[in-house]
Amino acid sequence: DQQVKQNSPSLSVQEGRISILNCDYTNSMFDYFLWYKKYPAEGPTFLISISSIKDKNEDGRFTVFLNKSAKHLSLHIVPSQPGDSAVYFCAASEETSGSRLTFGEGTQLTVNP
Amino acid sequence: GAGVSQSPRYKVAKRGQDVALRCDPISGHVSLFWYQQALGQGPEFLTYFQNEAQLDKSGLPSDRFFAERPEGSVSTLKIQRTQQEDSAVYLCASSRARFGLASRRASTDTQYFGPGTRLTVL
Repeated sequence: DQQVKQNSPSLSVQEGRISILNCDYTNSMFDYFLWYKKYPAEGPTFLISISSIKDKNEDGRFTVFLNKSAKHLSLHIVPSQPGDSAVYFCAASEETSGSRLTFGEGTQLTVNP
Repeated sequence: GAGVSQSPRYKVAKRGQDVALRCDPISGHVSLFWYQQALGQGPEFLTYFQNEAQLDKSGLPSDRFFAERPEGSVSTLKIQRTQQEDSAVYLCASSRARFGLASRRASTDTQYFGPGTRLTVL
């Protein structure tokens, strides 16, 4: 039972354009969402998060949008840079289970120069 | 400051062998998590410590898996009688967050991950 799903295993964009990574979830108890970025042979690195009381959070080139009715969130990166090429994981948690994270399968983003 | 460190970075074990994986969290971080990441998948929760107390071990796949954090700092994940399906990357994460407080989550909930230990069971 995959509670967090990232349906696109890979995404390729041109440098300078927008990257949009998508994530869907099924557990309506999730109230906190995060995006992590992972380079090969490294652990995931925290990027940005959003609480369920908000629908948007922005940090520099990164913006996360949350649509609770659709149980969908997305990460926008603009402008995309070659250094953004990595695997991006969507994660979620619910307060009743503390801070344990439930991750999606990941999306490999490739930004071409 | 130093991040989360894990050792060894790579471990090859013969089926049936016991292994021990170490995690050194960020100094002062109360919470410590272990996750298992199979090839091509996202990390999956194994267990959680707040200081030395193991508050959640619901993700441990079998009784062959055991984790401890006796002094509330370094943690060890032990796998007994390893099987081929145990082959994965084992990730450790730590955070400042403390369970059970009434306050809503804040930035202190961010989990910082180590580089992981890649376990291969032959």
